Amino acid sequence: EAQVTQNPRYLITVTGKKLTVTCSQNMNHEYMSWYRQDPGLGLRQIYYSMNVEVTDKGDVPEGYKVSRKEKRNFPLILESPSPNQTSLYFCASSKGSLNNQPQHFGDGTRLSIL
Amino acid sequence: QKEVEQNSGPLSVPEGAIASLNCTYSDRGSQSFFWYRQYSGKSPELIMSIYSNGDKEDGRFTAQLNKASQYVSLLIRDSQPSDSATYLCAVNARDYKLSFGAGTTVTVRA
Repeated sequence: EAQVTQNPRYLITVTGKKLTVTCSQNMNHEYMSWYRQDPGLGLRQIYYSMNVEVTDKGDVPEGYKVSRKEKRNFPLILESPSPNQTSLYFCASSKGSLNNQPQHFGDGTRLSIL
Repeated sequence: QKEVEQNSGPLSVPEGAIASLNCTYSDRGSQSFFWYRQYSGKSPELIMSIYSNGDKEDGRFTAQLNKASQYVSLLIRDSQPSDSATYLCAVNARDYKLSFGAGTTVTVRA
């Protein structure tokens, strides 16, 4: 089954404790992206990757890091989480560029930073 | 100015009626336009995509695009309670960037 898998689905942690949210896709997609979703603000792009070893900032990259060492994986790293990073996070992938290509979303990760 | 703006909700329609959702975007060079549906607590799922001016129909859904007016809309005909969800408009302005509106919540009253 074609899918985007995120882990963990839920996480409660404390300020400053490094965490990683994993994202894996089995569709051989070149493009992967991370979004956060907050009430009234919609989905905002954090980082995206066009292919292995190629990443770029989205609209809200501060406080986040990413890496793309393999085509299927695109982890999101919070080196020193803060309460304002409490949010619902989605990973997404698509084939090639976004021109004419819709994205496939993971099930989401709800992070609470205390 | 936000890159993508949607009409504020929530939108409440009776079962069987037409729900009309609107979206405007700021980047005149935008090329691809998508409507995603998101049920509460779930991830967005694609319901419509449109790339050229005019109408595109898929079942009970019709997307309309007017690039001159920088406007894209979604019509849901014969609305059903299962259509109750938040609808997100997404616009691809550059190859690798997708901008979303804040969403419009639709409630279909039985």
